[in-house]
Amino acid sequence: DGGITQSPKYLFRKEGQNVTLSCEQNLNHDAMYWYRQDPGQGLRLIYYSQIVNDFQKGDIAEGYSVSREKKESFPLTVTSAQKNPTAFYLCASSITREVGQPQHFGDGTRLSIL
Amino acid sequence: GQNIDQPTEMTATEGAIVQINCTYQTSGFNGLFWYQQHAGEAPTFLSYNVLDGLEEKGRFSSFLSRSKGYSYLLLKELQMKDSASYLCAVRDPGGYQKVTFGIGTKLQVIP
Repeated sequence: DGGITQSPKYLFRKEGQNVTLSCEQNLNHDAMYWYRQDPGQGLRLIYYSQIVNDFQKGDIAEGYSVSREKKESFPLTVTSAQKNPTAFYLCASSITREVGQPQHFGDGTRLSIL
Repeated sequence: GQNIDQPTEMTATEGAIVQINCTYQTSGFNGLFWYQQHAGEAPTFLSYNVLDGLEEKGRFSSFLSRSKGYSYLLLKELQMKDSASYLCAVRDPGGYQKVTFGIGTKLQVIP
C-alpha cells in the first residue's frame, strides 16, 4: 500500500542538540510539506518542496532545516536554534499537476524536550 | 495572505446534524479543503470545493460561497466516531498545492 511514513513516532531532544525527523513517501508525489501543530493552533507550515533539490520556507522556518535529495524523502532537522521545539510534527505530500488534489499526511512525530 | 476563521469547539448529539462554519479572507482563492483529524492522528481528507455550491459525500457535505468567503461542513446522522477536529484549509493562489489551515473545530459528539 502506498503512503507516507514518519519516524520516529516519539522523539526527545536534549538542550543544544539537533534532531532529524524522517519522512518517506511511496506515492510518487512531487510536493512534500512539513507542518508543526501546537495545542489550540492550526497546522503551521515550516518548509515545503515542489520538486527534488528545491524547497521554500514556510511561515515558521526559523530554527529548522530540510533537504530534498530524493523524490521520496524530505527529512526535517530541528536545530538547537529552535527554542521551543516541543510540538507534533506532520509531514505531507501531494500531486502538483492536478487542481484540487489533497495533501496526504503521515502519522506524525511528537517531539519533546528532555 | 490568508486569514481563516472557524469556531474552536462544538458539541452535538449522536444522530443529529451539525454544521461547522469556516470564513476566509484571502488575497486570492484557489479552492477550499476540509480535513478530519482525530486526536493524536494524521488529518484525513474529507472534501474539496472550488466552485459555489454543495458537494455531497455520504453523511458529509461541504458548501462554498466564494462571494461571501464562506464554507461549511455538514455532518448528518452523527456517530460517536465523528468526535474529532475538523480543519478548513484554503489553497494558496498560484500553481502549487500549498494551503493555509484554520485552527480547526473540535467537535464532541455526546450520547
